[in-house]
Amino acid sequence: SQTIHQWPATLVQPVGSPLSLECTVEGTSNPNLYWYRQAAGRGLQLLFYSVGIGQISSEVPQNLSASRPQDRQFILSSKKLLLSDSGFYLCAWSPRKGNTIYFGEGSWLTVV
Amino acid sequence: DAKTTQPTSMDCAEGRAANLPCNHSTISGNEYVYWYRQIHSQGPQYIIHGLKNNETNEMASLIITEDRKSSTLILPHATLRDTAVYYCIVSPEGVPNFGNEKLTFGTGTRLTIIP
Repeated sequence: SQTIHQWPATLVQPVGSPLSLECTVEGTSNPNLYWYRQAAGRGLQLLFYSVGIGQISSEVPQNLSASRPQDRQFILSSKKLLLSDSGFYLCAWSPRKGNTIYFGEGSWLTVV
Repeated sequence: DAKTTQPTSMDCAEGRAANLPCNHSTISGNEYVYWYRQIHSQGPQYIIHGLKNNETNEMASLIITEDRKSSTLILPHATLRDTAVYYCIVSPEGVPNFGNEKLTFGTGTRLTIIP
């Protein structure tokens, strides 16, 4: 069966520091991969999605970047965090065909 | 932006059926209706999806109106663990340009199960 893991689960970082959130998917090949963000009390906002290695599409202009160095690995990064980057970050995957998305456990980021 | 309209919140007594409505009056012919739920501080969980026929699985039933402009998610015997935010989403399945379109989440319905 397929599984998705992201880490770290919680992170407290000072303003201006770098960020790296990692996500891996097991049990499937060529998945579509996604990074979402959820601010407190609000819906999910799609940040990035990827249909293959090195192929990244950004949904909104922002202080973050994403990379896909391997087929089942998706990384969310920032060189310098802002206070507004605080939130709940979710990695997700979907099969190449079909649109059902499966989410990871989420990562809580607090920028102080 | 989201293409669906859901009530902000609902309550349901434990053991009763929870019926969550969703309006999607601008749905296109190739768009499916998806339902997810999110329990506090966890990632969203897939529940069910359908095109035009009613669907049922081990978690819930999905009733789609004949004109496909609205749907209802039914949790037949709600338990306290069903307390969550429920998202109704419409999206095409298997769009060939990118392999998949992206699901856009709105703010959902906060369902509270009352003991």
